[in-house]
Parts: sequence; structure tokens; C-alpha cells
Amino acid sequence: GAVVSQHPSRVICKSGTSVKIECRSLDFQATTMFWYRQFPKKSLMLMATSNEGSKATYEQGVEKDKFLINHASLTLSTLTVTSAHPEDSSFYICSARGATGGSEGYGYTFGSGTRLTVV
Amino acid sequence: SQQGEEDPQALSIQEGENATMNCSYKTSINNLQWYRQNSGRGLVHLILIRSNEREKHSGRLRVTLDTSKKSSSLLITASRAADTASYFCATAPRTIYNQGGKLIFGQGTELSVKP
Repeated sequence: GAVVSQHPSRVICKSGTSVKIECRSLDFQATTMFWYRQFPKKSLMLMATSNEGSKATYEQGVEKDKFLINHASLTLSTLTVTSAHPEDSSFYICSARGATGGSEGYGYTFGSGTRLTVV
Repeated sequence: SQQGEEDPQALSIQEGENATMNCSYKTSINNLQWYRQNSGRGLVHLILIRSNEREKHSGRLRVTLDTSKKSSSLLITASRAADTASYFCATAPRTIYNQGGKLIFGQGTELSVKP
């Protein structure tokens, strides 16, 4: 089935630095990538939707200059948390959708998530 | 809020018992999906039910959908300790603003199955 590889799985960074999270679709072309954020014991909040080759569409309240999304190819999307602060600490998950859907026809394949801790 | 509601927020049962989780949503949808998440891990797709379907089965899972009430339920029968996880419903709103098919997740139910 379709696989999305998300790296790193865990990252600890100092306040003020930037962190890049990658999601790669391994066996399908991800025409659309969704980025979610999840706080402990909470649901997934959609941050932005990106289509290959175009600018990402951010959800209300999400700072686009803070969370830079690049979807330059059909197999790679990146989320960069710029000038990270402790309040950016969270679990970030990507989800990819291809022209013919993701896994098993239901359309969405999720990465395994990245635990970001900003100290 | 972009979130739907799920209840209960937490459910603790004994192995062998059935677990029922409910989800409500706000907009017209194309489909509704249920996902499972083990602590600190990614999401695993469980089942999808389309807006024109009322019930679907997959192994020990049974999902119902009532579009008139904008609600769905997930039933796990004969639960096992390995079913312990968080369960989320997710909807793909049917709007002109969602041509890309973004999923909106419910609040989730934390299920604990005790051996």
C-alpha cells in the first residue's frame, strides 16, 4: 500500500532556531499534502493544505511566516518551523493524497508524525 | 471550530466487552472515516463510510452513519487489550472550499481495554 515517510520522528531544538520536517510519498505521487498539529491528548488540528507547485493554503489562525510549507515535488513536502519557541512544541503529522488517492482508495496516507520539543 | 464532537472522551472497558464511540459533525460530507492512533504514533485508517451508506462492517468494527443527525458511531466488538488507543472520526466536508479534500478530525475517544 501507499506509504508516507516522515522525518525526523523526534527533534529537540533550542528556542530561536528553525526546524524542518520532511514528508515523502514513497510509492505514489502526492498531489496534495496536509499538515496537522496535535497537542497531547487532543485532536489533530489542520494547519495547512499544499498542492504541488503552488503556495500552501493556511487555516485561520495559523501563521504562514512561522510555519513555512514547501511542496516543490510530487513526492516531497516540507514544514519548517521558523524561530521556534517552547509553545511550538507539539506533534506534527503530514497526510498525503494522490491523484488516485492514497492507501486502499480512501485517499489519505499519514506519516508517522514528528515530536518537536523546543527548549 | 473546525472540530467535530466525539463522545465519550474516554472509555474504559474490560476485555471481551464491546466499545461504542460516537461522533458528530457540522457540515455536509462526502464521507466519514475512522482512524486509530496509538500513543505518540501516526494514524491508522480503520474504515470509511460514504455519505450514501448507513452501515458498514469490517472484521470486529461496525460503523453507522446518520446524515440527518450528522452523526456516526464506531462499535468495536469483543474488545482486546491491543485495541487500547485513541480513536478519531474524520470528515471530508462537501463544500466548494474543500475541493482538495481536507479532513477535519473529531476530538477523539481514548479507549482503554483492561485485560
